[in-house]
Amino acid sequence: DQQVKQNSPSLSVQEGRISILNCDYTNSMFDYFLWYKKYPAEGPTFLISISSIKDKNEDGRFTVFLNKSAKHLSLHIVPSQPGDSAVYFCAASLNSGGSNYKLTFGKGTLLTVNP
Amino acid sequence: DSGVTQTPKHLITATGQRVTLRCSPRSGDLSVYWYQQSLDQGLQFLIQYYNGEERAKGNILERFSAQQFPDLHSELNLSSLELGDSALYFCASSGRRGSSYNSPLHFGNGTRLTVT
Repeated sequence: DQQVKQNSPSLSVQEGRISILNCDYTNSMFDYFLWYKKYPAEGPTFLISISSIKDKNEDGRFTVFLNKSAKHLSLHIVPSQPGDSAVYFCAASLNSGGSNYKLTFGKGTLLTVNP
Repeated sequence: DSGVTQTPKHLITATGQRVTLRCSPRSGDLSVYWYQQSLDQGLQFLIQYYNGEERAKGNILERFSAQQFPDLHSELNLSSLELGDSALYFCASSGRRGSSYNSPLHFGNGTRLTVT
């Protein structure tokens, strides 16, 4: 049973446009959500996070939105750049007394930004 | 560069064999995590160590074991290898003393294991 789902395996956008990556989760106990970016032959790199007490967090071109009632979060990249082309993983964790970093990952979405 | 070092980068071995994957965490990080990424799968949490002690366990097979040493580096031992164990194995670290409870994980570049 996959608790974190990224239903779009891939997404292609034009440079300068907005990229929207989506993520759904099933465990209502998750209280912390993260996005990681992964280039080929490298490990995932932390991008942005959001606590369940917030509904939006922004860092430069990256914004994460959280809709707890819908158990849905999204990552917006504006404007998209060719260097953003990578696999994006959504991850979630629940605060369970020290296991907070036991992240549950989605399968990832391959974003391609075309020049 | 995340500061997390994993060796070797690639490993090719035969079924039934045993291998050891090594991870050096970011300087100062106390926690080490192991994740497995199989083909078309997300990263599956295997196990977490904190300052030498096992802290959390995920879907780790009994054929797999790990440990964290006093110098905080960690090893993941995979034995009686099967074809289905072929995957990318990532190590991550976090948890510097005094850091935020929700500080993110920093991943190494992984070890690609191929079992033939």
